[in-house]
Amino acid sequence: DTGVSQDPRHKITKRGQNVTFRCDPISEHNRLYWYRQTLGQGPEFLTYFQNEAQLEKSRLLSDRFSAERPKGSFSTLEIQRTEQGDSAMYLCASSPVGHEQYFGPGTRLTVT
Amino acid sequence: GQQLNQSPQSMFIQEGEDVSMNCTSSSIFNTWLWYKQDPGEGPVLLIALYKAGELTSNGRLTAQFGITRKDSFLNISASIPSDVGIYFCAGPFLSYNTDKLIFGTGTRLQVFP
Repeated sequence: DTGVSQDPRHKITKRGQNVTFRCDPISEHNRLYWYRQTLGQGPEFLTYFQNEAQLEKSRLLSDRFSAERPKGSFSTLEIQRTEQGDSAMYLCASSPVGHEQYFGPGTRLTVT
Repeated sequence: GQQLNQSPQSMFIQEGEDVSMNCTSSSIFNTWLWYKQDPGEGPVLLIALYKAGELTSNGRLTAQFGITRKDSFLNISASIPSDVGIYFCAGPFLSYNTDKLIFGTGTRLQVFP
């Protein structure tokens, strides 16, 4: 029984570089969410996919952020021209019908 | 916007003690979820509540959906060292396109042997 997986688990990058994260949801889940979590806070919603359609984006998702889910399976989150304020844990979650969301282990991004 | 407030913010207890924490909202929720997060890991779903007044257990954990639908409670009985972590409540914010989760501020639990 495989849960949600994320890759990489940790990423250190220099300010101004682009980074891309991958999420593989639980296979039968058609809903996929990205969240961001900073130290001492709860996760905050970034964006949502139902199958391959991106149905909602938070205002937290600036123009430098883009997410895709091309075949309705795995998803990628790209951050262009990273800034120090982008340092956070990026979490992916998937869900079947209903409101229960299952999270992956996260990608910890550090921008130096 | 919607906010979920959790209390207490942190707890330091001895192994074997029972723990109670709560989560309150200014808005009504139709679902309450409780998650536990270990350092450097993603949140793990513990309990889901779907009906006002509902009481649901998962091993030593018991959670209740408040009758007003603006609060929820989580109890842990006979705490053990592996209960250490941050506990988050969450509820779905229903907009036209999504049921994104709104998370509480978290309760950090420390268990001493």
